Amino acid sequence: QVQLQESGPGLVKPSETLSLTCTVSGYSISSASYWGWIRQAPGKGLEWIGSIYHSGSTYYEPSLKSRVTLSVDTSKNQFSLRLSSVTAADTAVYFCGRITMGDYWGQGTLVTVSS
Amino acid sequence: QAVVTQEPSLTVSPRGTVTLTCGSSTGDVTSGHYPYWFQQKPGQAPRPLIYDTNNKHSWTPARFSGSLLGGKAALTLSGALPEDEADYYCLLYYSGARSFGGGTKLTVL
Repeated sequence: QVQLQESGPGLVKPSETLSLTCTVSGYSISSASYWGWIRQAPGKGLEWIGSIYHSGSTYYEPSLKSRVTLSVDTSKNQFSLRLSSVTAADTAVYFCGRITMGDYWGQGTLVTVSS
Repeated sequence: QAVVTQEPSLTVSPRGTVTLTCGSSTGDVTSGHYPYWFQQKPGQAPRPLIYDTNNKHSWTPARFSGSLLGGKAALTLSGALPEDEADYYCLLYYSGARSFGGGTKLTVL
């Protein structure tokens, strides 16, 4: 079956860059699909961050666009998120998923921004 | 930047029917917004229910259905069960980018 797993540091210092990777198994990331990231701050709703096609085409949430970079590594069947200049407001559970059809998602990983 | 609106909270009786809606600040929600619906319970990842307005995933219970209603996307739950108590989020497409609504907390009581 299709599985997605987020990985990366659970603690990031303010002003540094948050980096997460999503590893996809059971499905080729090179298929005709957009893959992406959403997040959920503690006690808050879901927030869409951005999506990427296997060719590298990207779409970003406008309010985060200046700080977000998505990339894809088809050889590893992975895609990644980088969020720069983080603050405490970026503390959240980050989920990766298949945006096309919205059907497959990881379990999420908590990233805390704190010194 | 579009704002997606949902009812903050709704209550439904067991075995009752309820409709959750999803509106857009840019105007009517259409099939071109490819509405998605997710269910989320505390401590869990969002669970996809509906995609592209009214398409169900293989795991979506038959009691859930999606539609367009009065210029909004709608999620109807017919025959509510206690386990349907959860937060529900819609997600709309805007020329490549997407945006979530604020979520509806559904109580089955």
